Amino acid sequence: DTGVSQDPRHKITKRGQNVTFRCDPISEHNRLYWYRQTLGQGPEFLTYFQNEAQLEKSRLLSDRFSAERPKGSFSTLEIQRTEQGDSAMYLCASSLAGGVAGSSYNEQFFGPGTRLTVL
Amino acid sequence: GESVGLHLPTLSVQEGDNSIINCAYSNSASDYFIWYKQESGKGPQFIIDIRSNMDKRQGQRVTVLLNKTVKHLSLQIAATQPGDSAVYFCAENRRNSGYSTLTFGKGTMLLVSP
Repeated sequence: DTGVSQDPRHKITKRGQNVTFRCDPISEHNRLYWYRQTLGQGPEFLTYFQNEAQLEKSRLLSDRFSAERPKGSFSTLEIQRTEQGDSAMYLCASSLAGGVAGSSYNEQFFGPGTRLTVL
Repeated sequence: GESVGLHLPTLSVQEGDNSIINCAYSNSASDYFIWYKQESGKGPQFIIDIRSNMDKRQGQRVTVLLNKTVKHLSLQIAATQPGDSAVYFCAENRRNSGYSTLTFGKGTMLLVSP
């Protein structure tokens, strides 16, 4: 399977614990995005990497959230001191920069997501 | 018919009917609009996109219409099949300084009865 993969697919944790999710993008894609999706809503953008550089992180929900992409390939999203309100689906997407001339748009391919439940 | 449920607007159709899913967007500066399909337990799957300088684009069994005057986007699915049952989201591509982000709408659930 050459699509975007995420691990784990499901995570149940107790309030106050730290969790880390992993995303492996499509191999040649240099852009990677994290989104959060709550029930009945569309995905909400969190952060963005181009190669190993995190170019946008102001949309991360709080300072408990952090993301890394140390070698420009896989990425991790960590949530510290989880709260019940963090329960959601966390989606990763990747794309290839330079898709459409005259536009910043390039098709994003989504992974299956990690569903987090905080008890 | 179309109804508003607790979480998502829902469109129920019979197999073989044509379906029309609507979306209103907010940012007139968005340069691309995209439709995604999301099945239960899966991530969003790209269906079709349209650039802001176009008003219609056709794919296989799908057509997207863009009305910039009223900031409205629609997805038409011809000969709807049970496998089309899913939640459909529209998304806008918004430009930031040097990169773009997708802003998603609320979503519409499509239920196709055999």
